[in-house]
Amino acid sequence: SQKIEQNSEALNIQEGKTATLTCNYTNYSPAYLQWYRQDPGRGPVFLLLIRENEKEKRKERLKVTFDTTLKQSLFHITASQPADSATYLCALGTGGFKTIFGAGTRLFVKA
Amino acid sequence: GAGVSQSPRYKVAKRGQDVALRCDPISGHVSLFWYQQALGQGPEFLTYFQNEAQLDKSGLPSDRFFAERPEGSVSTLKIQRTQQEDSAVYLCASSLSSAIEKLFFGSGTQLSVL
Repeated sequence: SQKIEQNSEALNIQEGKTATLTCNYTNYSPAYLQWYRQDPGRGPVFLLLIRENEKEKRKERLKVTFDTTLKQSLFHITASQPADSATYLCALGTGGFKTIFGAGTRLFVKA
Repeated sequence: GAGVSQSPRYKVAKRGQDVALRCDPISGHVSLFWYQQALGQGPEFLTYFQNEAQLDKSGLPSDRFFAERPEGSVSTLKIQRTQQEDSAVYLCASSLSSAIEKLFFGSGTQLSVL
């Protein structure tokens, strides 16, 4: 069956460290992969998109990698800050109308 | 408007009541989506509009769910004869074009069915 898996347990890290979140998928062939941030009581906010022919994408303190052989994406936040605390959602674009979301990983950054 | 607007923000319904949830997408956005998000889960696709045409409604859980976007802008998601399992956050998202790569979400409507 088709699945998107993200770390189900919350990730707790110290301010200033690098947070690394994992997204694994099975039985999909995504044309691209996205990462969204979601704060409590709010809708997801788009952060980054990486295409199937790209290995890495960066934006400010964010870095995303995409390995279509391993069927995995890693999302890194460098020099993390308490304001980065949120739920981060991985989403697959299959080229059709649907964007398929994972359940998300909660990140807590302690000062 | 500046972003996607949804109303009401919260809705409490008695089991069996009909509800209507409204979405105002970003002006000029061609694509509009409805998603359902249960607590602790990611958004689940319900339906997709390109302008006024509903091109995919495969995610609607039952025939009690109905969505429309008659003039290609504002959309309404209607749930008839609500059940407790319909309790969730209903998110609306829009995208500039039919090349769907970046979704702009509203804050959602939290529906509680008692």
